[in-house]
Amino acid sequence: QAVVTQEPSLTVSPGGTVTLTCGSSTGTVTRHHYPYWFQQKPGQAPRTLIYDIRKKHSWTPARFSGSLLGDKAALTLSGAQPEDEADYYCLLSYNGAYVFGTGTKVIVL
Amino acid sequence: QVQLQQWGAGLLKPSETLSLTCAVYGGPFSGNFWSWIRQPPGKGLEWIGEIKHGEGANYNPSLKSRVTISEDTSNNQFSLKLTSVTAADTAVYYCARQRDDIWGRGTLVTVSS
Repeated sequence: QAVVTQEPSLTVSPGGTVTLTCGSSTGTVTRHHYPYWFQQKPGQAPRTLIYDIRKKHSWTPARFSGSLLGDKAALTLSGAQPEDEADYYCLLSYNGAYVFGTGTKVIVL
Repeated sequence: QVQLQQWGAGLLKPSETLSLTCAVYGGPFSGNFWSWIRQPPGKGLEWIGEIKHGEGANYNPSLKSRVTISEDTSNNQFSLKLTSVTAADTAVYYCARQRDDIWGRGTLVTVSS
């Protein structure tokens, strides 16, 4: 089974920019992996931030954006707010079976 | 507004079968993928599988031998069965329509002798 790797922890200053990445043990992440990004705060269910690389929901703040960056999927947070402190998970499709990334804890400090 | 209501046994003994059901309210069942996702205490998310009416189910390869996801379209429900559970299956289990950010509240399933 593929392993999907994320940075364990990233720190960003309020108002700053941070990029989270999502890599696959099988090689380059492409649009055929249909990357998702989820946000999870303590004690809460995950929320789907982004799907299909960069598509957003109505609730997704504009400061979040998804992309493919090099051989990985990426989530960029521009203008971090204290409420963005959370765990973030990517999710990749492998011919219809999905695998979550290891998760990134984002600290706004 | 689509809502998911999930239920099932919260305490199991090793070797028993986990069984959870998720009911879909306020929207169509057909035409959508319905997922099961779990999270062990203090750990990350794990995708279990999904089902779509007319297209069957896809499973996490690491769980495939023990997992069955089924649908009951007449009642707008889908279910998860996981056989031969061990302590490693202790987790909060979520049903979801992951693409559309629709989630059940989660069910804590504990496996303990």
